[in-house]
Amino acid sequence: GNSVTQMEGPVTLSEEAFLTINCTYTATGYPSLFWYVQYPGEGLQLLLKATKADDKGSNKGFEATYRKETTSFHLEKGSVQVSDSAVYFCALIDYGQNFVFGPGTRLSVLP
Amino acid sequence: TAGITQAPTSQILAAGRSMTLRCTQDMRHNAMYWYRQDLGLGLRLIHYSNTAGTTGKGEVPDGYSVSRANTDDFPLTLASAVPSQTSVYFCASSEQGGGHNEQFFGPGTRLTVL
Repeated sequence: GNSVTQMEGPVTLSEEAFLTINCTYTATGYPSLFWYVQYPGEGLQLLLKATKADDKGSNKGFEATYRKETTSFHLEKGSVQVSDSAVYFCALIDYGQNFVFGPGTRLSVLP
Repeated sequence: TAGITQAPTSQILAAGRSMTLRCTQDMRHNAMYWYRQDLGLGLRLIHYSNTAGTTGKGEVPDGYSVSRANTDDFPLTLASAVPSQTSVYFCASSEQGGGHNEQFFGPGTRLTVL
């Protein structure tokens, strides 16, 4: 079946540091890939998405590129802020199927 | 617009009691979903509905039931709660089921079963 693997957290960075959160997936078809963010006490919000190979999703300074050859969708940001502290979920949906979420990676950014 | 609302925000429930978690969306989305979120396990799908009048089982449906009498509402019922159902429950919706549609999430209900 489909699955998503994320790097173990928590990740703790200083403000303005470079962020990478790794995500790899297993899927039978050609899934769309997503990053969702969950701020403390809130539900999940879509951060960015990519629907086909080599697409790059971007939003709020975050980027992720759909790499079919490595089945990866790593999340990056060049300079994190304290306000980026949250839990980040990688997810996929394969056509006709339901969403599959990774376990989440908690990011803490220190001033 | 409100998007998706859930009620209650949190609840403490005695084991063996029943409870219904409410979810309402105002986006006229066809598909709705219930997930539970547990530490280290991410979100797991409990039940879903691709359109009013139909429902389906997700990854962890046991102990839960749903109904979809209309487009807007998708209540989740625990008939006889057990401590392992302690979790945070999120309702979500998307324009259509399956496909590559983005899901929109409610704020969640934190449930503790003692």
